[in-house]
Amino acid sequence: GQNIDQPTEMTATEGAIVQINCTYQTSGFNGLFWYQQHAGEAPTFLSYNVLDGLEEKGRFSSFLSRSKGYSYLLLKELQMKDSASYLCAAMDSNYQLIWGAGTKLIIKP
Amino acid sequence: DAMVIQNPRYQVTQFGKPVTLSCSQTLNHNVMYWYQQKSSQAPKLLFHYYDKDFNNEADTPDNFQSRRPNTSFCFLDIRSPGLGDAAMYLCATSPRTGGPDTQYFGPGTRLTVL
Repeated sequence: GQNIDQPTEMTATEGAIVQINCTYQTSGFNGLFWYQQHAGEAPTFLSYNVLDGLEEKGRFSSFLSRSKGYSYLLLKELQMKDSASYLCAAMDSNYQLIWGAGTKLIIKP
Repeated sequence: DAMVIQNPRYQVTQFGKPVTLSCSQTLNHNVMYWYQQKSSQAPKLLFHYYDKDFNNEADTPDNFQSRRPNTSFCFLDIRSPGLGDAAMYLCATSPRTGGPDTQYFGPGTRLTVL
């Protein structure tokens, strides 16, 4: 079956760095997406990885290892506004997204 | 600005009373999706349209129907809402370039069933 695993909740301190991990199993693979979702709002696109390695975009970076079925989202210089859920989604061979349940990130002052 | 719009943002209905949620897009994307998302859960794909081709997920209840009268608009009809249908309903679009596409979401409609 197809499956995405990510931690349910994480807590970090303002100004610090946090890494949110995601493992996936899909029928075929066409890339890995990360979305940010604030409470009561729609997901917004953060990053897309299809090749192994690290993609950096400002304070956010995303890493992919296809051989391990593993990705992480790295958030640096955390701000209070980064408190949100972070959804990992893998795209299968039919270009359908398989979604994780999200990791709720709590930022403390 | 090109965007995905959902109306209403909040919808209250009574048990068993039909309700329609609407989505429109100015992105001119080929593909439109309807997702159901309950609290702290992954979005669950209900349907998607590739142009006018309708694709129903195998586990989407018959109580849910969808219409796409043109490229810009898509509707979700819930024929007889039950308490378990209370959720956020998300509309998304993607261009479908023949490869992996990013999905762009509307703000969602939060449905309450009394």
